[in-house]
Amino acid sequence: KNEVEQSPQNLTAQEGEFITINCSYSVGISALHWLQQHPGGGIVSLFMLSSGKKKHGRLIATINIQEKHSSLHITASHPRDSAVYICAVSNRDDKIIFGKGTRLHILP
Amino acid sequence: EAGVTQSPTHLIKTRGQQATLRCSPISGHTSVYWYQQALGLGLQFLLWYDEGEERNRGNFPPRFSGRQFPNYSSELNVNALELEDSALYLCASSSGRLRNTGELFFGEGSRLTVL
Repeated sequence: KNEVEQSPQNLTAQEGEFITINCSYSVGISALHWLQQHPGGGIVSLFMLSSGKKKHGRLIATINIQEKHSSLHITASHPRDSAVYICAVSNRDDKIIFGKGTRLHILP
Repeated sequence: EAGVTQSPTHLIKTRGQQATLRCSPISGHTSVYWYQQALGLGLQFLLWYDEGEERNRGNFPPRFSGRQFPNYSSELNVNALELEDSALYLCASSSGRLRNTGELFFGEGSRLTVL
């Protein structure tokens, strides 16, 4: 079993839909990261969370430390949101474990 | 302000050769992280350098090595290349320990192809 599990693996939705991507982890962490990887390979860090909830524009990330679970939500999704979203956890030694990613495709 | 820059963008080598990849972190960032993303696999942690020293490494053989220079730029060396080393190698930097600063900034990656 992977230490960081994401679901779904693939997601296709219509423009405007509310998107949720889930991440569960089984190790102790100091922080959880949500990353966005575009087709060319470049990665952008979206959020770093150690508790609660963060919002940036149409993106919302939440984490439940007790349940070892995080969600990334996208409101009013748009084709430009199409990318791979990666959940990653870091421990106190700065080692990062990545999920396998969720490939999101938003149809116009 | 320039982001994390990596070179070369693409590199083609043959089995048994050596590859050197380079990374310049964001100005002021002291920590550099290297990751491998092989086709069909997720990102895997390779190496972490901070203040010129190797702080941690992932589960990779010793053929994967690197260093960090006084200006905090970093080099990843892969010796005795094998076909399965073909991957996108990503570098990221942060301004300090992740547990303190939290945010990683990624380069665009170097795609290594081993023939």
